[in-house]
Amino acid sequence: DIQMTQSPSSVSASVGDRVTINCRASQGIARWLAWFQQLPGLAPKLLIYEVSNLHSGAPFRFSGSGSGTDFTLTISSLRPEDFATYYCQQTHSFPYTFGQGTKLEIK
Amino acid sequence: QVQVEQSGDEVKKPGASVKVSCKTSGYSFSSYGINWVRQAPGQGLEWMGWISTDNGATKYAERMQGRLTLTIDTSTRTAYMELTSPRSDDTAVYYCAREKGAVPTFDVWGQGTMVAVSS
Repeated sequence: DIQMTQSPSSVSASVGDRVTINCRASQGIARWLAWFQQLPGLAPKLLIYEVSNLHSGAPFRFSGSGSGTDFTLTISSLRPEDFATYYCQQTHSFPYTFGQGTKLEIK
Repeated sequence: QVQVEQSGDEVKKPGASVKVSCKTSGYSFSSYGINWVRQAPGQGLEWMGWISTDNGATKYAERMQGRLTLTIDTSTRTAYMELTSPRSDDTAVYYCAREKGAVPTFDVWGQGTMVAVSS
């Protein structure tokens, strides 16, 4: 199975800050990498697919980059509604796997 | 518009099977696979399995093998997840998610169904 490891597990930041979240795959996954945002009590929402493609309706302050085994989600300027938990996911091969999540908290 | 609506929350005793439905609308049902993902209280996301809405082919997470059955009813555009012999550690919110694209992407999610397993 492909293991997905996110860092950090949690991060504190302020409105207006730039934040990056990292995701490392245990083996190469090409571009088969997505990012999701989950607000408390709600279903996950797709933000980024195929490493860097912004999903329809996702704000432009979200961007993704990386290749092979190392990937990054960047939020350019935090807004209050961005405080949530973020997950990366690989769909390169079954079983699909998620990172453990990164909780973004208000400083 | 595209909609994915799941059945209501369930409370089950250990050993009694549970079946959750995922009703879709607003798109060509057979063109997009359905995945099931669960989330135990306070925990992360766990992929459970996938079903092709074209031919009913399935893939299951190894830890779910033998207890999980995914099915579809194309006449009602509905996918089903059945978990047999649930245990207390199966208590979780269960989500279905539509899968789009040549690079599988979970683009639309159901609202989630809480399944509580307790004696």
